[in-house]
Amino acid sequence: KQEVTQIPAALSVPEGENLVLNCSFTDSAIYNLQWFRQDPGKGLTSLLLIQSSQREQTSGRLNASLDKSSGRSTLYIAASQPGDSATYLCAVGHGSSNTGKLIFGQGTTLQVKP
Amino acid sequence: NAGVMQNPRHLVRRRGQEARLRCSPMKGHSHVYWYRQLPEEGLKFMVYLQKENIIDESGMPKERFSAEFPKEGPSILRIQQVVRGDSAAYFCASSPFPPSPGNTIYFGEGSWLTVV
Repeated sequence: KQEVTQIPAALSVPEGENLVLNCSFTDSAIYNLQWFRQDPGKGLTSLLLIQSSQREQTSGRLNASLDKSSGRSTLYIAASQPGDSATYLCAVGHGSSNTGKLIFGQGTTLQVKP
Repeated sequence: NAGVMQNPRHLVRRRGQEARLRCSPMKGHSHVYWYRQLPEEGLKFMVYLQKENIIDESGMPKERFSAEFPKEGPSILRIQQVVRGDSAAYFCASSPFPPSPGNTIYFGEGSWLTVV
């Protein structure tokens, strides 16, 4: 059974810091891994998607890496800003890719202080 | 281009009543997914539908829950005889193409169900 774990559960940093969020999964048979952002009371916004054959993806100040063999992914946020404060969710596409079923971690809640 | 629209955003039901949650996918999207986020738990997949077809309902509770995506109109997640444990945020997502490793899905803002 695929399980996704995110560490830490919560993180508070001063503005400007670079930070790393961690995600681990128990079964390496994934077809992709995504990082989402969720603001309080809102839906999820996809940040980065890494297919199983890829090692990393970058978008602006965000960089996500994937190491399937060790079952790990990291989300690197450079020069953090107060507007980055949100919950970050890691999700793996597991099983048959034609069902669209994602397995989510419980998230890391980030607070960036001005 | 409007995003995925869910309504109602907040719904209060008494135990034993029915809850109907509606989801209008993004324009041009014919694939709909429902996820549930229970308090203190992560999002869990419930069901994947295409127009008039249920493709994967492996995450749906076996009783009281049903979903449809008719040819016309929104997708509906229906919960009969609600219990307190059904209190959760229900998220709908949609995609323009069948799921594949390179495609993401687009989430709505959720419907918060409270059972009293």
